[in-house]
Amino acid sequence: GIQVEQSPPDLILQEGANSTLRCNFSDSVNNLQWFHQNPWGQLINLFYIPSGTKQNGRLSATTVATERYSLLYISSSQTTDSGVYFCAGDDKIIFGKGTRLHILP
Amino acid sequence: NAGVTQTPKFRILKIGQSMTLQCAQDMNHNYMYWYRQDPGMGLKLIYYSVGAGITDKGEVPNGYNVSRSTTEDFPLRLELAAPSQTSVYFCASSYPHPMGLAGGLGYEQYFGPGTRLTVT
Repeated sequence: GIQVEQSPPDLILQEGANSTLRCNFSDSVNNLQWFHQNPWGQLINLFYIPSGTKQNGRLSATTVATERYSLLYISSSQTTDSGVYFCAGDDKIIFGKGTRLHILP
Repeated sequence: NAGVTQTPKFRILKIGQSMTLQCAQDMNHNYMYWYRQDPGMGLKLIYYSVGAGITDKGEVPNGYNVSRSTTEDFPLRLELAAPSQTSVYFCASSYPHPMGLAGGLGYEQYFGPGTRLTVT
């Protein structure tokens, strides 16, 4: 099966900072998605983005399918952005191990 | 809409016991999924269903069974619980919908709150 690698594994930022999270796939994938898991364990779908760029408020995502990677941008971070960010893809919805983001007030 | 609901929230099982984790959705989604999440890890797909009467294995199906008799419900059955099945279990649903100018179909997943299962 495909391998999904996310980087960085951990990120600590001051409130107001910007960040870029990366997701690499070992093979071409469909159904590429980004999720946020908050500190209470709740999972929220952020983007369904098999290709191209999407924006939702302070968050945006870009997938370059031909080069098998996707990026998640978070601008003007807030403490509520803390948690773990996962990307996932493929028909079997393979998840990466996530990027743990901690925003300091 | 309640969205995706899961019961129970917590459960402790003894080795060898059986149980069914319940999942229901009221959004008329035809796709449903079961995942497990071990500590510090991403989710792994156990089983999924593309509609009533249709199920298929995911990445880690061993030790589990599912059924999908209705669009709304997708229960997950553990027959002989083992300590390796200690995990948090998430149910999710989705539906294919047009992605507008981007073209193609989108399948955004909506997750339930999870069931924390401990097998001792």
